[in-house]
Amino acid sequence: EVQLVQSGAEVKKPGESLKISCKGSGYSFTSYWIGWVRQMPGKGLEWMGIIYPGDSDTRYSPSFQGQVTISADKSISTAYLQWSSLKASDTAMYYCARGLALGENWFDPWGQGTLVTVSS
Amino acid sequence: SYVLTQPPSVSVAPGKTARITCGGNNIGSKSVHWYQQKPGQAPVLVIYYDSDRPSGIPERFSGSNSGNTATLTISRVEAGDEADYYCQVWDSSSDHNYVFGTGTKVTVL
Repeated sequence: EVQLVQSGAEVKKPGESLKISCKGSGYSFTSYWIGWVRQMPGKGLEWMGIIYPGDSDTRYSPSFQGQVTISADKSISTAYLQWSSLKASDTAMYYCARGLALGENWFDPWGQGTLVTVSS
Repeated sequence: SYVLTQPPSVSVAPGKTARITCGGNNIGSKSVHWYQQKPGQAPVLVIYYDSDRPSGIPERFSGSNSGNTATLTISRVEAGDEADYYCQVWDSSSDHNYVFGTGTKVTVL
Protein backbone atom coordinates (compact mmCIF):
# COMPACT_ATOMS: atom_id res chain seq x y z
CA GLU A 1 0.00 0.00 0.00
CA VAL A 2 1.33 3.41 -0.98
CA GLN A 3 1.44 5.55 2.12
CA LEU A 4 2.77 8.89 3.34
CA VAL A 5 3.10 9.25 7.11
CA GLN A 6 3.76 12.67 8.56
CA SER A 7 5.28 13.66 11.88
CA GLY A 8 3.10 14.68 14.79
CA ALA A 9 1.55 17.98 15.80
CA GLU A 10 3.84 20.78 16.92
CA VAL A 11 3.37 23.75 19.23
CA LYS A 12 6.03 26.43 18.86
CA LYS A 13 6.72 30.03 19.84
CA PRO A 14 7.27 32.83 17.32
CA GLY A 15 10.89 32.97 16.21
CA GLU A 16 11.55 29.27 16.81
CA SER A 17 12.67 26.88 14.09
CA LEU A 18 10.85 23.74 13.01
CA LYS A 19 11.29 20.80 10.66
CA ILE A 20 8.39 18.44 9.92
CA SER A 21 8.66 15.20 8.02
CA CYS A 22 6.83 12.98 5.55
CA LYS A 23 7.88 9.35 5.17
CA GLY A 24 6.91 7.42 2.06
CA SER A 25 6.42 3.67 1.85
CA GLY A 26 5.03 1.09 -0.55
CA TYR A 27 6.61 2.61 -3.66
CA SER A 28 9.90 3.81 -5.13
CA PHE A 29 10.42 7.03 -3.17
CA THR A 30 13.00 8.36 -5.64
CA SER A 31 10.70 8.00 -8.67
CA TYR A 32 7.92 10.38 -7.62
CA TRP A 33 7.66 14.00 -6.55
CA ILE A 34 6.54 15.07 -3.06
CA GLY A 35 4.54 18.27 -2.78
CA TRP A 36 3.68 20.31 0.31
CA VAL A 37 0.33 22.02 0.78
CA ARG A 38 -0.78 24.48 3.46
CA GLN A 39 -4.30 24.74 4.84
CA MET A 40 -4.85 27.59 7.26
CA PRO A 41 -7.70 27.22 9.78
CA GLY A 42 -11.04 27.20 7.96
CA LYS A 43 -9.40 27.97 4.62
CA GLY A 44 -8.55 26.27 1.34
CA LEU A 45 -5.52 24.46 -0.03
CA GLU A 46 -2.36 26.35 -1.03
CA TRP A 47 0.53 24.76 -2.91
CA MET A 48 3.88 25.56 -1.26
CA GLY A 49 6.46 23.65 -3.22
CA ILE A 50 7.59 20.31 -4.55
CA ILE A 51 10.71 18.14 -4.52
CA TYR A 52 11.96 15.20 -6.53
CA PRO A 53 13.83 13.02 -4.02
CA GLY A 54 15.75 11.27 -6.80
CA ASP A 55 17.92 14.33 -7.42
CA SER A 56 16.54 16.90 -4.93
CA ASP A 57 15.19 19.12 -7.74
CA THR A 58 12.99 21.58 -5.81
CA ARG A 59 10.47 24.19 -6.91
CA TYR A 60 8.68 26.75 -4.74
CA SER A 61 5.53 28.76 -5.08
CA PRO A 62 6.54 32.44 -5.16
CA SER A 63 4.28 32.91 -2.15
CA PHE A 64 6.50 30.62 -0.09
CA GLN A 65 9.93 31.13 -1.69
CA GLY A 66 12.34 32.23 1.02
CA GLN A 67 9.82 31.48 3.77
CA VAL A 68 10.35 27.71 3.98
CA THR A 69 12.87 25.10 2.88
CA ILE A 70 11.93 21.78 1.32
CA SER A 71 14.41 18.91 1.40
CA ALA A 72 14.55 15.12 1.22
CA ASP A 73 16.69 12.24 2.47
CA LYS A 74 16.24 9.45 -0.02
CA SER A 75 18.15 6.99 2.14
CA ILE A 76 15.25 6.97 4.59
CA SER A 77 12.44 7.83 2.10
CA THR A 78 11.61 11.04 3.93
CA ALA A 79 10.82 14.57 2.78
CA TYR A 80 10.96 17.63 5.00
CA LEU A 81 9.47 21.07 5.34
CA GLN A 82 11.29 23.50 7.57
CA TRP A 83 11.12 27.02 8.94
CA SER A 84 14.01 28.98 10.42
CA SER A 85 11.85 31.53 12.24
CA LEU A 86 8.17 30.80 12.73
CA LYS A 87 5.45 33.42 12.78
CA ALA A 88 1.96 33.24 14.23
CA SER A 89 0.67 33.30 10.65
CA ASP A 90 2.38 29.94 10.01
CA THR A 91 -0.28 28.30 12.16
CA ALA A 92 -1.89 25.79 9.83
CA MET A 93 -2.26 22.18 8.81
CA TYR A 94 0.49 21.07 6.45
CA TYR A 95 0.06 18.14 4.07
CA CYS A 96 2.55 16.27 1.96
CA ALA A 97 1.31 14.48 -1.16
CA ARG A 98 2.85 12.34 -3.90
CA GLY A 99 3.00 13.63 -7.45
CA LEU A 100 3.62 11.46 -10.49
CA ALA A 101 5.55 14.06 -12.45
CA LEU A 102 6.19 17.77 -12.58
CA GLY A 103 3.48 19.26 -14.71
CA GLU A 104 -0.10 18.41 -15.55
CA ASN A 105 -0.54 15.79 -12.88
CA TRP A 106 -2.31 15.23 -9.62
CA PHE A 107 -1.42 14.49 -6.00
CA ASP A 108 -2.21 11.05 -4.63
CA PRO A 109 -2.04 9.89 -1.93
CA TRP A 110 -1.80 12.55 0.75
CA GLY A 111 -0.26 12.31 4.19
CA GLN A 112 -2.50 12.62 7.23
CA GLY A 113 -1.31 16.17 7.86
CA THR A 114 0.81 17.88 10.52
CA LEU A 115 -0.81 20.61 12.59
CA VAL A 116 1.59 23.43 13.40
CA THR A 117 0.53 25.93 16.06
CA VAL A 118 2.64 29.03 16.61
CA SER A 119 1.72 31.02 19.68
CA SER A 120 3.47 33.02 22.34
CA SER B 1 -1.36 34.23 -11.64
CA TYR B 2 -3.98 31.72 -12.69
CA VAL B 3 -7.20 31.76 -10.65
CA LEU B 4 -9.72 28.95 -10.20
CA THR B 5 -13.14 30.03 -8.95
CA GLN B 6 -15.62 27.66 -7.30
CA PRO B 7 -19.00 28.38 -5.71
CA PRO B 8 -18.61 28.49 -1.90
CA SER B 9 -21.44 26.05 -1.34
CA VAL B 10 -23.78 23.61 -3.04
CA SER B 11 -26.76 21.97 -1.36
CA VAL B 12 -28.38 18.80 -2.65
CA ALA B 13 -31.00 16.31 -1.47
CA PRO B 14 -30.07 12.65 -1.09
CA GLY B 15 -30.45 10.73 -4.33
CA LYS B 16 -30.19 13.86 -6.46
CA THR B 17 -27.29 15.17 -8.55
CA ALA B 18 -24.72 17.72 -7.37
CA ARG B 19 -22.71 19.72 -9.88
CA ILE B 20 -19.65 21.65 -8.72
CA THR B 21 -18.08 24.09 -11.14
CA CYS B 22 -14.50 25.29 -11.40
CA GLY B 23 -13.99 28.37 -13.53
CA GLY B 24 -10.71 29.48 -15.06
CA ASN B 25 -9.47 31.23 -18.17
CA ASN B 26 -9.46 28.63 -20.97
CA ILE B 27 -9.42 25.85 -18.37
CA GLY B 28 -10.51 23.47 -21.13
CA SER B 29 -6.91 23.51 -22.38
CA LYS B 30 -5.63 22.21 -19.05
CA SER B 31 -5.99 18.93 -17.15
CA VAL B 32 -8.22 19.30 -14.10
CA HIS B 33 -8.09 17.16 -10.98
CA TRP B 34 -10.60 17.04 -8.13
CA TYR B 35 -10.19 16.28 -4.42
CA GLN B 36 -12.68 15.50 -1.68
CA GLN B 37 -11.88 16.60 1.87
CA LYS B 38 -14.11 15.46 4.71
CA PRO B 39 -13.95 17.29 8.07
CA GLY B 40 -10.76 16.53 9.96
CA GLN B 41 -9.33 14.42 7.14
CA ALA B 42 -6.72 14.82 4.42
CA PRO B 43 -7.84 15.43 0.83
CA VAL B 44 -8.55 12.41 -1.36
CA LEU B 45 -8.28 12.36 -5.15
CA VAL B 46 -11.65 11.62 -6.76
CA ILE B 47 -11.10 12.65 -10.41
CA TYR B 48 -7.90 13.10 -12.44
CA TYR B 49 -7.28 14.15 -16.04
CA ASP B 50 -10.70 15.85 -16.19
CA SER B 51 -12.80 12.68 -16.01
CA ASP B 52 -10.80 9.63 -14.89
CA ARG B 53 -11.62 7.94 -11.59
CA PRO B 54 -8.96 6.40 -9.33
CA SER B 55 -9.62 2.87 -8.21
CA GLY B 56 -12.02 2.77 -5.29
CA ILE B 57 -13.91 5.92 -6.25
CA PRO B 58 -17.58 5.21 -7.02
CA GLU B 59 -18.87 5.59 -10.57
CA ARG B 60 -21.25 8.20 -9.17
CA PHE B 61 -18.35 10.66 -9.42
CA SER B 62 -17.67 12.03 -12.89
CA GLY B 63 -15.99 15.04 -14.43
CA SER B 64 -15.96 17.18 -17.55
CA ASN B 65 -13.96 20.13 -18.80
CA SER B 66 -14.57 22.54 -21.65
CA GLY B 67 -14.10 26.21 -22.43
CA ASN B 68 -13.78 28.20 -19.22
CA THR B 69 -15.48 25.71 -16.88
CA ALA B 70 -14.71 22.28 -15.45
CA THR B 71 -17.44 20.39 -13.63
CA LEU B 72 -17.46 17.66 -11.01
CA THR B 73 -20.77 15.78 -10.99
CA ILE B 74 -21.90 13.57 -8.13
CA SER B 75 -24.89 11.41 -9.05
CA ARG B 76 -27.27 9.77 -6.58
CA VAL B 77 -25.80 11.81 -3.75
CA GLU B 78 -25.36 10.10 -0.37
CA ALA B 79 -24.92 11.55 3.08
CA GLY B 80 -21.30 10.40 3.01
CA ASP B 81 -20.57 12.71 0.08
CA GLU B 82 -20.87 15.75 2.34
CA ALA B 83 -17.42 17.35 2.16
CA ASP B 84 -15.34 20.15 0.70
CA TYR B 85 -14.30 19.69 -2.92
CA TYR B 86 -11.31 21.34 -4.61
CA CYS B 87 -10.29 21.49 -8.24
CA GLN B 88 -6.62 21.71 -9.19
CA VAL B 89 -4.59 22.45 -12.32
CA TRP B 90 -0.99 22.98 -13.27
CA ASP B 91 -0.31 26.41 -14.68
CA SER B 92 2.74 26.36 -16.91
CA SER B 93 2.53 30.09 -17.56
CA SER B 94 3.37 31.20 -14.04
CA ASP B 95 5.67 30.31 -11.19
CA HIS B 96 2.67 29.34 -9.11
CA ASN B 97 2.64 26.10 -11.02
CA TYR B 98 0.08 24.07 -9.01
CA VAL B 99 -3.15 25.97 -8.43
CA PHE B 100 -6.09 24.90 -6.28
CA GLY B 101 -9.62 26.18 -6.59
CA THR B 102 -11.28 28.14 -3.81
CA GLY B 103 -13.22 25.09 -2.65
CA THR B 104 -16.91 24.16 -2.50
CA LYS B 105 -18.74 22.88 0.54
CA VAL B 106 -21.29 20.26 -0.47
CA THR B 107 -24.16 19.92 1.99
CA VAL B 108 -26.53 16.97 1.80
CA LEU B 109 -29.95 18.13 2.94
